[in-house]
Amino acid sequence: ILNVEQSPQSLHVQEGDSTNFTCSFPSSNFYALHWYRWETAKSPEALFVMTLNGDEKKKGRISATLNTKEGYSYLYIKGSQPEDSATYLCALTDSNYQLIWGAGTKLIIKP
Amino acid sequence: DVKVTQSSRYLVKRTGEKVFLECVQDMDHENMFWYRQDPGLGLRLIYFSYDVKMKEKGDIPEGYSVSREKKERFSLILESTSTNQTSMYLCASSHLGSNQPQHFGDGTRLSIL
Repeated sequence: ILNVEQSPQSLHVQEGDSTNFTCSFPSSNFYALHWYRWETAKSPEALFVMTLNGDEKKKGRISATLNTKEGYSYLYIKGSQPEDSATYLCALTDSNYQLIWGAGTKLIIKP
Repeated sequence: DVKVTQSSRYLVKRTGEKVFLECVQDMDHENMFWYRQDPGLGLRLIYFSYDVKMKEKGDIPEGYSVSREKKERFSLILESTSTNQTSMYLCASSHLGSNQPQHFGDGTRLSIL
């Protein structure tokens, strides 16, 4: 059974600082790993989908890496801005093609 | 842009009432999903559908049913609501494929009194 753990649960970061957080999984038996951003009062928005060990994706100041051998993915935000405040969700596509979701990391950027 | 529209942002109902939550997508997606999100938990799948008139149970289908009569519309039905169904309900859609992202509606916050 796939399990997705995200850490930390919440994070306060000063504006301008860079930060990262983790999605970990005990099994590499999945098809893809997804990162989503969920801003308050909006719908979750897909950021990245990664499928291969060593994959790296980047969108502006946000990037992500995938290490299936050691069972984790990192999401990095460079030079945090207030608009980065959101809950970041990680999910795995399992063998039934369903997404198994982590509980999320709530990021708060302090001005 | 993909648009997934949920019929209501906020709903307040009384225990025992029947509730319909409607979801419509405009990108001809094959897959549609209903989730609920509760504090401290990841999104939990209630039901999904990969084609018209097809439905599959997710992780927590008890107390819910669904209907997909048209490709663009996926309805979640709570036959007789209970207070433990107070939650945020999210609809999503996607194309087929393991690496296809899901596109979400804005959610319906349902309160059962």
